[in-house]
Amino acid sequence: DAKTTQPPSMDCAEGRAANLPCNHSTISGNEYVYWYRQIHSQGPQYIIHGLKNNETNEMASLIITEDRKSSTLILPHATLRDTAVYYCIVRVWESGTYKYIFGTGTRLKVLA
Amino acid sequence: DSGVTQTPKHLITATGQRVTLRCSPRSGDLSVYWYQQSLDQGLQFLIQYYNGEERAKGNILERFSAQQFPDLHSELNLSSLELGDSALYFCASSDGAGDNEQFFGPGTRLTVL
Repeated sequence: DAKTTQPPSMDCAEGRAANLPCNHSTISGNEYVYWYRQIHSQGPQYIIHGLKNNETNEMASLIITEDRKSSTLILPHATLRDTAVYYCIVRVWESGTYKYIFGTGTRLKVLA
Repeated sequence: DSGVTQTPKHLITATGQRVTLRCSPRSGDLSVYWYQQSLDQGLQFLIQYYNGEERAKGNILERFSAQQFPDLHSELNLSSLELGDSALYFCASSDGAGDNEQFFGPGTRLTVL
């Protein structure tokens, strides 16, 4: 079964880059990697997604290794409002259907 | 505000009962997704509908079922409720069939006593 692995928690100083890793060694070549974050118990918020190439948007950058076994979400200049739980998610084809597999999340704490 | 609405916000019921959670997607979105977030299991994908048809399926229990209606709103039915079904249930929507950004609603908190 597909799986994603994330460190349970990380700290980052305000203004510095936050680099959040995710291991997804079982995904295949056409399966996407998504990142969402959740603040308290609010609905998760989309950050970015990618397939093979690195991606960047106004919120973050996503670096996917060439073998696609892992990825890193980069928040270039973390602020206090970036304190949240960050989820790495893969969309896989398994047992005849698509599934979204969530990691257990990384609790990022941005420190003043 | 994501544009996705969920009702009710809170629901308290007893074991063995049946409840229905409702979701209205953002205007124009054709896909609806259901997720469960409990303390011990984290966030889990349940099921996705795209324009009325089941598109993706996670580890949804047989006691749970969902459907998407012609006006694109969706309902998640939970029956024979157990204490372990207590959780936050999120609905999300997207304009495509599954590769796109999903917009999450505020969730329904279900408490089974």
